[in-house]
Amino acid sequence: ETGVTQSPTHLIKTRGQQVTLRCSSQSGHNTVSWYQQALGQGPQFIFQYYREEENGRGNFPPRFSGLQFPNYSSELNVNALELDDSALYLCASSLGTATEAFFGQGTRLTVV
Amino acid sequence: AQRVTQPEKLLSVFKGAPVELKCNYSYSGSPELFWYVQYSRQRLQLLLRHISRESIKGFTADLNKGETSFHLKKPFAQEEDSAMYYCALKGTSYGKLTFGQGTILTVHP
Repeated sequence: ETGVTQSPTHLIKTRGQQVTLRCSSQSGHNTVSWYQQALGQGPQFIFQYYREEENGRGNFPPRFSGLQFPNYSSELNVNALELDDSALYLCASSLGTATEAFFGQGTRLTVV
Repeated sequence: AQRVTQPEKLLSVFKGAPVELKCNYSYSGSPELFWYVQYSRQRLQLLLRHISRESIKGFTADLNKGETSFHLKKPFAQEEDSAMYYCALKGTSYGKLTFGQGTILTVHP
C-alpha cells in the first residue's frame, strides 16, 4: 500500500504564470482534498473531489481549479499567479468523506 | 461558519511535566474534532479524533461542548513529543477540515 504522493516538491513561478500541482491518492482512496498552508498558518481548505466530481469548495477564487482522474489522482491548477499564492500546498486522500484523511508531504510553491 | 482557535503559538515544557495544548472551536452543528501532529521533516498525520476516545502516545483529548473546547493533554511530556500540533474540525458537510493556526510544542530535557 502506497501513501499519498505529491509532485513536484518545490516549484518557483513568476507572477502571472500558471501552475499545475499533482497528487496521487493512497491506494483504495476515492476522495482527494487540497489545502493551502501559508507560512505560520494552519492549512486552509481549497476544494475536495469525490469520484471525479468537485464535492465542496473553500473561499478561494475561480483561478484555483482542479481535476480528479478515474484512478482518483488529482491536479490543482492555479492561473494568473499572485505573490500571495506562495505557500505549501497539501493534498489529502480518504475513502469517502467520513474516514481519516491521509496527507501528502506537500508542494512548496514560491511566486516571484 | 467553522472556526478553530489555538491561542498558543508556542509552548515549552520540561520532560516529565504535564502538557496541555488548548483548542476552542465555533460551529453551529455537531462537529467532529481532531488533533493532527507534524514532527520535524514529516508529513501531517492524525494523532487522535474525539469519536474514538482513544489515548495515543499518552495523549488524550475530551470534547467539551459546553465550553466548545477540545484541549489536548499528556500527563508526562517526552522529548519526542516536540512537534507542531494542529486542532481541526470537520462539520457535517462533506469532509472539509478547518484547522487552527497550530501550536509548536517544545519539550526540553
